[in-house]
Amino acid sequence: DAGITQSPRYKITETGRQVTLMCHQTWSHSYMFWYRQDLGHGLRLIYYSAAADITDKGEVPDGYVVSRSKTENFPLTLESATRSQTSVYFCASSLGGGWATEAFFGQGTRLTVV
Amino acid sequence: AQSVTQLGSHVSVSEGALVLLRCNYSSSVPPYLFWYVQYPNQGLQLLLKYTTGATLVKGINGFEAEFKKSETSFHLTKPSAHMSDAAEYFCAVSDKTSYDKVIFGPGTSLSVIP
Repeated sequence: DAGITQSPRYKITETGRQVTLMCHQTWSHSYMFWYRQDLGHGLRLIYYSAAADITDKGEVPDGYVVSRSKTENFPLTLESATRSQTSVYFCASSLGGGWATEAFFGQGTRLTVV
Repeated sequence: AQSVTQLGSHVSVSEGALVLLRCNYSSSVPPYLFWYVQYPNQGLQLLLKYTTGATLVKGINGFEAEFKKSETSFHLTKPSAHMSDAAEYFCAVSDKTSYDKVIFGPGTSLSVIP
């Protein structure tokens, strides 16, 4: 299917475990982003990528790792999950540089750390 | 530092009534401005955006917003609410020079009463 897909949609994991959230887009967009959504905070940028093999930190990067070996994939890894990382995670992509271009969002991954 | 405030975490309107969702930003220079909508269990979808030019911006589903530099505001309006407008609405602002400066507001939940 065309678009941006996230997997899994729901995940429960234990404190201390490593977990990877997947993001795949079929548009060949240059830019990809990971956000977390928490009540009262809106969306906060975790990491973003301008192209394959180019990544940079956003507002709340601690405890997260990203990679982008291929343009279409942008996985987010929680190296040692903590309860504070319980959240809804959104992946997004955009065609070009700057936010004058529209960002397209995936449907989100709801992660619960117990 | 940029910030976005949305007055009212929850707004209720009657079907057919005017929708007004407020957004104020703080930025040293006129930024890019966006409104996104999030339906239940879905990702965010762009409603409209302001970059440069005309200060009244029209978006999808009959929504529009006006950029008022003197008031640092970008309020979202729709003349007549429809039941399908019930959703979460996010105002976002970005610095024109850096992608990681995209800041989302905390969101406003809109309910439409039949």
